[in-house]
Amino acid sequence: KAGVTQTPRYLIKTRGQQVTLSCSPISGHRSVSWYQQTPGQGLQFLFEYFSETQRNKGNFPGRFSGRQFSNSRSEMNVSTLELGDSALYLCASRLAGVNEQFFGPGTRLTVL
Amino acid sequence: AQRVTQPEKLLSVFKGAPVELKCNYSYSGSPELFWYVQYSRQRLQLLLRHISRESIKGFTADLNKGETSFHLKKPFAQEEDSAMYYCALSSGANSKLTFGKGITLSVRP
Repeated sequence: KAGVTQTPRYLIKTRGQQVTLSCSPISGHRSVSWYQQTPGQGLQFLFEYFSETQRNKGNFPGRFSGRQFSNSRSEMNVSTLELGDSALYLCASRLAGVNEQFFGPGTRLTVL
Repeated sequence: AQRVTQPEKLLSVFKGAPVELKCNYSYSGSPELFWYVQYSRQRLQLLLRHISRESIKGFTADLNKGETSFHLKKPFAQEEDSAMYYCALSSGANSKLTFGKGITLSVRP
């Protein structure tokens, strides 16, 4: 079974731009979560989608948004990028009702 | 609010030495606790979860509700155990994971 995939793997943007990251979950997994990983804050939960609905949301500003499609693929968007948004963005998927999350390799976003 | 604390950032031991990676949590209900590991250039992966009560790669962790701890232990460290380890908490089957800041384990030959 193929693992969680994320595209692109690396991105360089400038302040004020917006960015869209993509995540394809493991086949059959309908839940997709997004996390931000930084050296200072560690892993922080952004949001979770299940069956195209946002089920949980972390404590991030409204510039961070996401969505999920009918095939369970998910995208997250960050608008008006700030230098502090530079991070590794991880996506994780899991089966409904099962608490084991499977992580993707991440997208490394650098904001200049 | 739920919180996970990993008090140390780095633990360096020699091969064959015992290892204990500390994790304390704060949560008023019945949490589910996990240890995740990230080897160099690999993705984050689940190592073990408290409800399984199993040993993975020689590692064990016992949930101590009285001390609100979930320390990860291994009696004899191996060089291949060198990695970043994260303790995480979930409040239910459909809830988010709250991670600690992580600890780097370095096992020297």
